[in-house]
Amino acid sequence: QEQLVESGGGVVQPGRSLRLSCAASGFTFNSHAMHWVRQAPGKGLEWVAVIWYDGSNKYYGDSVKGRFTISRDNSKNTLFLQMNSLRDEDTAIYYCARDRERISMILSYWGQGTLVTVSS
Amino acid sequence: SYVLTQPPSVSVAPGQTATITCGGDNIGGKNVHWYHQRPGQAPVLVVFDDSDRPPGIPERFSGSNSGNTATLTISWVEAGDEADYYCQVWDSSADHVFFGGGTKLTVL
Repeated sequence: QEQLVESGGGVVQPGRSLRLSCAASGFTFNSHAMHWVRQAPGKGLEWVAVIWYDGSNKYYGDSVKGRFTISRDNSKNTLFLQMNSLRDEDTAIYYCARDRERISMILSYWGQGTLVTVSS
Repeated sequence: SYVLTQPPSVSVAPGQTATITCGGDNIGGKNVHWYHQRPGQAPVLVVFDDSDRPPGIPERFSGSNSGNTATLTISWVEAGDEADYYCQVWDSSADHVFFGGGTKLTVL
């Protein structure tokens, strides 16, 4: 059974860093691009980043470009999001999601999310 | 930045048909995907590539896309369909995924 489990969320002060992880199981991890998507409290979905199935390409949303870094370890079936220079507006639930194919930009399965709260 | 415009809310009685639109500049030239999200839960893909359904999604969910508007249609609406619905595209010219603002479907 397919599963995505995010971890690493918590309360962090503005300007600090946090690293999120997403442990994948139940599918061939290295055959799918992976995404991070966030949702601020009471708001809609905002795409954060994507990484190709082999890690060869990475793209970012405009609001996180230059501050966040997506990466993956295919040997450990794990996706990461390194978040630096955090701001109040980065407060959100962060979801990892599996792409439907190697690279299709269709987010076919989502984890349950991890909450990040940026506050002093 | 590619803007996707959805109505904030749509209301429909059980058994009726719900139509949720997603407007964008020449969106008909892109592949549109739809997700629903029940309160407190993660989003779920319900339609991809304009009109295809993932396994397990009822035939009541259908989609179309032409010109400047993509549409998600839910036939024979049930109480369990009440959720927020989001459209999504990939803009290859910007290497960026865009979501619509979401539509809250209320089943009366």
